[in-house]
Amino acid sequence: DAKTTQPPSMDCAEGRAANLPCNHSTISGNEYVYWYRQIHSQGPQYIIHGLKNNETNEMASLIITEDRKSSTLILPHATLRDTAVYYCIVRVDRGSNYKLTFGKGTLLTVNP
Amino acid sequence: DTAVSQTPKYLVTQMGNDKSIKCEQNLGHDTMYWYKQDSKKFLKIMFSYNNKELIINETVPNRFSPKSPDKAHLNLHINSLELGDSAVYFCASSHSGGYTFGSGTRLTVV
Repeated sequence: DAKTTQPPSMDCAEGRAANLPCNHSTISGNEYVYWYRQIHSQGPQYIIHGLKNNETNEMASLIITEDRKSSTLILPHATLRDTAVYYCIVRVDRGSNYKLTFGKGTLLTVNP
Repeated sequence: DTAVSQTPKYLVTQMGNDKSIKCEQNLGHDTMYWYKQDSKKFLKIMFSYNNKELIINETVPNRFSPKSPDKAHLNLHINSLELGDSAVYFCASSHSGGYTFGSGTRLTVV
């Protein structure tokens, strides 16, 4: 799987949009971009994933650049409960057998 | 209903003991995993089972023995516990795409 680079930490004001960047310059054509988060003392939680098109769900939006070498996770209106470590992971979707490899992630702190 | 449930949530035990952590998923997923998160918060995969068959074993010491009686269960048995085994252990399952994780078992070896 391609490696990713994320800033170690970011701050965001409550109610504002949180934009979390991720670089994955060595991504292959068949690798997806996944985002997970881990709120303190809980298990990781799936947020969103995409291949090349931008994606949106009830939790967040995922913007992938045209060359697919970077992406941004957007939490449109961050709340205090969004404080967590956010992981950007790229992986091939070879079905259910392929492992998910976590990096260090970005600690997002949402401030009141 | 909890999708991926682990028991116990907390486990404190002495060095040298043998202990088990249980995991069950009610999502109908074919693949289950064990991850370890150490004190530095790195999440590392340990094992993966698909339909009761071992798929991934990430050079984990053989004191750790996963057992999958059916595809809804993946238990982790640990022999001769050591201080370095203290960590949070997460069970997860997947079918395709996203993983669903349990809430973790905090193991403390004293």
